[in-house]
Amino acid sequence: GQNIDQPTEMTATEGAIVQINCTYQTSGFNGLFWYQQHAGEAPTFLSYNVLDGLEEKGRFSSFLSRSKGYSYLLLKELQMKDSASYLCAVRVNAGNMLTFGGGTRLMVKP
Amino acid sequence: EAGVAQSPRYKIIEKRQSVAFWCNPISGHATLYWYQQILGQGPKLLIQFQNNGVVDDSQLPKDRFSAERLKGVDSTLKIQPAKLEDSAVYLCASSAARAAIEQFFGPGTRLTVL
Repeated sequence: GQNIDQPTEMTATEGAIVQINCTYQTSGFNGLFWYQQHAGEAPTFLSYNVLDGLEEKGRFSSFLSRSKGYSYLLLKELQMKDSASYLCAVRVNAGNMLTFGGGTRLMVKP
Repeated sequence: EAGVAQSPRYKIIEKRQSVAFWCNPISGHATLYWYQQILGQGPKLLIQFQNNGVVDDSQLPKDRFSAERLKGVDSTLKIQPAKLEDSAVYLCASSAARAAIEQFFGPGTRLTVL
């Protein structure tokens, strides 16, 4: 099976930068995903990494180290609307079945 | 483009009752997923369909849960009989193909079992 760990909660200040870490243990790794989920809403796709390195998309970046079983999501210039849960998910083998971590609840304060 | 539709949005039932949820994926999406999300946890995959066939249902509690996608479009998920621990949000998602990167989630059905 897969084991995915991420912090339960984080707090950051509007305008700042925050890094949300995710570690995983799995066999047949075939990609790591980050989803954003606002309270009471559906998850929405943020990023996908399958090779080592950094993927940048606007204010959000995601990093992957396959050898370390480690990823992070970096959010820059935090806005109040970034207050949400951030879900790390791993895909294994050729299918598209995702195993999600428990999510990190981010609170952005003024 | 219309998103993934689910109904009902909310359902409250007594334990041992039956309940069914409906999902209509994005038009043309071949792959459909049902997830269970218990409060404070990440979504857990219950079943994955490719067109009208089951790809994986290893985490579906088959003694009480069943799902079908008879014509390869809409899908229903049923719980019979429900237990207290089934209280959760049931999310439906779809993707264009099994290898597609992005899954698109519906708004979910919040089930409360009393």
